[in-house]
Amino acid sequence: QKEVEQNSGPLSVPEGAIASLNCTYSDRGSQSFFWYRQYSGKSPELIMSIYSNGDKEDGRFTAQLNKASQYVSLLIRDSQPSDSATYLCAVITGANSKLTFGKGITLSVRP
Amino acid sequence: DGGITQSPKYLFRKEGQNVTLSCEQNLNHDAMYWYRQDPGQGLRLIYYSQIVNDFQKGDIAEGYSVSREKKESFPLTVTSAQKNPTAFYLCASSIVKNTEAFFGQGTRLTVV
Repeated sequence: QKEVEQNSGPLSVPEGAIASLNCTYSDRGSQSFFWYRQYSGKSPELIMSIYSNGDKEDGRFTAQLNKASQYVSLLIRDSQPSDSATYLCAVITGANSKLTFGKGITLSVRP
Repeated sequence: DGGITQSPKYLFRKEGQNVTLSCEQNLNHDAMYWYRQDPGQGLRLIYYSQIVNDFQKGDIAEGYSVSREKKESFPLTVTSAQKNPTAFYLCASSIVKNTEAFFGQGTRLTVV
């Protein structure tokens, strides 16, 4: 089982819709979880971090963490064409605190 | 200006050459990371360091080497043993382990 898995894409939603991105992880002891956005040709930028079970909201973004089920998700409300990018899930895993990324999912928001 | 600086932005390497990619941060971060990204792929961890003079291999360390002699610097050497080095290389840092990491602008390495 891969350490961090994201469901295969690409994902396409109409403008104004909610985009739901999911991620699962294998290390039950993981404590830190992140979502990054990466535009084509650019480096990833951090958009959300979450450390405890439940929801964390920041503007149009909501991160959800369920440690018992070992998944973390990102909801983007009122999706905009500017949200079109690749979204990467990242998890701190292992005793040496390795920051591991999923393969990412490409989101396309249709005007 | 605080941040993470990677240089050069573009780098061309001949077959059989070693090249060194620079990563410098002035954020006083303890942890630093090197990743490789191939087209359409996620980030794969090469090496990481949680403290000066200490570093660990990531998932794809073969053909690469690093040093961490100073807190602010974490250079990556791509050796001739790395058979497919053409990729986008990303350096990141975080204030301490288990916290958010922030990325530099990346270096695109091409073998010619």
